[in-house]
Amino acid sequence: EPEVTQTPSHQVTQMGQEVILRCVPISNHLYFYWYRQILGQKVEFLVSFYNNEISEKSEIFDDQFSVERPDGSNFTLKIRSTKLEDSAMYFCASSLGSDGNQPQHFGDGTRLSIL
Amino acid sequence: DAKTTQPPSMDCAEGRAANLPCNHSTISGNEYVYWYRQIHSQGPQYIIHGLKNNETNEMASLIITEDRKSSTLILPHATLRDTAVYYCIVRLYNFNKFYFGSGTKLNVKP
Repeated sequence: EPEVTQTPSHQVTQMGQEVILRCVPISNHLYFYWYRQILGQKVEFLVSFYNNEISEKSEIFDDQFSVERPDGSNFTLKIRSTKLEDSAMYFCASSLGSDGNQPQHFGDGTRLSIL
Repeated sequence: DAKTTQPPSMDCAEGRAANLPCNHSTISGNEYVYWYRQIHSQGPQYIIHGLKNNETNEMASLIITEDRKSSTLILPHATLRDTAVYYCIVRLYNFNKFYFGSGTKLNVKP
């Protein structure tokens, strides 16, 4: 069964450094998402992306964050200058469509640890 | 999105059916009911979804009441690997994000 893959599984970065988290969505999916989960807390929506544009973002997704689809298969989340509070699991998801009848499929996440 | 209410935890004996309830009394006519689960710290795993009718797939069954104000996820023969947090989410037809609540921690015991 096709799946969303994320790399790396664990990323350790010094505060203030830039980090790029990578995702390969399911190949025929058109909509892409990032969510995050701080340890012990709920899964939170960050951003959705379609047709090379951000379609929706949450208040968490500030100017420090950016997303990109650099080629036909990868989808990346960049954090420009990391803060301690960015430490979390980051999940990528993809879906075939954006309507309510289309499930999102999630990867197993990247654990980001900011020192 | 409509708010959902789930019990914080439930126990189930291995091999028995696990019935996980969810209340969504403010659901509107075009909101879907979705179920996901999260095993340990892995990514949320899609289980099943429905609008009005009951649904069944290889993983589970979803029973939605006629008034759509509540639903039940049924795992017919729970195994130890089904121990996870189960999230019931209602999603507006044209919204492309999910709001995850606190879910139900299902403990399957031998």
